[in-house]
Amino acid sequence: SAVISQKPSRDICQRGTSLTIQCQVDSQVTMMFWYRQQPGQSLTLIATANQGSEATYESGFVIDKFPISRPNLTFSTLTVSNMSPEDSSIYLCSVAAAETQYFGPGTRLLVL
Amino acid sequence: KQEVTQIPAALSVPEGENLVLNCSFTDSAIYNLQWFRQDPGKGLTSLLLIQSSQREQTSGRLNASLDKSSGRSTLYIAASQPGDSATYLCAVSNNQGGKLIFGQGTELSVKP
Repeated sequence: SAVISQKPSRDICQRGTSLTIQCQVDSQVTMMFWYRQQPGQSLTLIATANQGSEATYESGFVIDKFPISRPNLTFSTLTVSNMSPEDSSIYLCSVAAAETQYFGPGTRLLVL
Repeated sequence: KQEVTQIPAALSVPEGENLVLNCSFTDSAIYNLQWFRQDPGKGLTSLLLIQSSQREQTSGRLNASLDKSSGRSTLYIAASQPGDSATYLCAVSNNQGGKLIFGQGTELSVKP
């Protein structure tokens, strides 16, 4: 199994600002994933982060808006840039280990 | 493009009742399927993982079945309890360690 922590757990931000979310895993993993869950919606994959290479973004998500870092095999960050109220969501990171995906507790973001 | 649908969107049952949650997917070429539980304001907890070659998996009062050819999975919960109240999410992966595609979830409420 994998234990994942995220910081911050929640935040309230002003539009136009940026927020960086941290994801820490208790074991080394090759791939980390960042998902978004908008209010009342299911999860949508933003990007896949591999250590040592550029993140791979899903359709509708771009690096300028959601830059990702993956400096090592246990850590990743997702930045939500130039925020607008539409970015208010829960952001979750996850990892794949032993065929199962494990999720962090999420970061609840409210943009005013 | 893989799409995952869950029916019903919401379900309310009295305590002790057995119930079935449904999940369907459009592309049968899946690698595995997972059922997750999400409590309000929390992250996701993996309940059961079914590989594409398997027909079912059981854990305690939970039983998940998979009919890959018809693109369907069910989650059976026996003798439901108020503590089972949560949103249940079905997700499929098309390759090992790959991204998950989620359904919209079924919000379950078990009344004492």
